[in-house]
Amino acid sequence: GDQVKQSPSALSLQEGTNSALRCNFSIATTTVQWFLQNPRGSLMNLFYLVPGTKENGRLKSTFNSKESYSTLHIRDAQLEDSGTYFCAALNSGGSNAKLTFGKGTKLSVKS
Amino acid sequence: GALVYQYPRRTICKSGTSMRMECQAVGFQATSVAWYRQSPQKTFELIALSTVNSAIKYEQNFTQEKFPISHPNLSFSSMTVLNAYLEDRGLYLCGARVGNYAEQFFGPGTRLTVL
Repeated sequence: GDQVKQSPSALSLQEGTNSALRCNFSIATTTVQWFLQNPRGSLMNLFYLVPGTKENGRLKSTFNSKESYSTLHIRDAQLEDSGTYFCAALNSGGSNAKLTFGKGTKLSVKS
Repeated sequence: GALVYQYPRRTICKSGTSMRMECQAVGFQATSVAWYRQSPQKTFELIALSTVNSAIKYEQNFTQEKFPISHPNLSFSSMTVLNAYLEDRGLYLCGARVGNYAEQFFGPGTRLTVL
C-alpha cells in the first residue's frame, strides 16, 4: 500500500473559506515537507517540519510523529492558492534517507 | 537562499535515443541529490539518491544502466536517460539538500517528450 496517504485527492473551495489537507504515514518519518506545484511543474517549498507546528501567513502545518500524520491548514483561501499540494515524508535512512511523496491534493479556489 | 536549476527545461527526443539533463545547486552545498520522475497522472517516483562519498543508490525499477548519474561535486549533478521510450516520458525533478535530514529543494524540472 501507499507509504504516504494524502487526502483528499481533490478539493474545491470558495474564496475566503478554510480547509485542511492531511497525510498519513505508514513509514517511520523523521521530517515532513509540504510543497505546492504550479501548472508548469515547479515545486515551491511551503513547510519543512520536525514534530510540531509551523505557521506562515494563512498556512499552518503540523507534524504529529506519534500518530504518524501531518496536516496543512489553509485559512481564508485565495485564488492564487490554487494548485496541487504534495506532502513528503523523509525516512530515517541516514545518508540514504529518502523523501517519499503523497499523490497530491488538487486544490481549486473559486470566486 | 537555496536555489536549484535544471537544464534543459524541456526536451524532445526520438524513441531509442538518449538525453542528458543537468542539475545545479546555488547558494548551498548539495551533499545529497535525489532524482525523481513525475509521470502523467502519477506521483513522484524516486529514481536514485546520490550522496557525496557514497555509492549512488537506485530504487527498484530503475538501474544505472538506464539512468547513469554523475555527482562530481557539491553543486552539480547530471543524469542521462539512455534509449528513451514512451514510458520514460515525464517531468524529471532534481532535489538537493545539505545533510541527511535537511530540507530538500527542487529544481523546476526537465520535461521529457519521447516521439
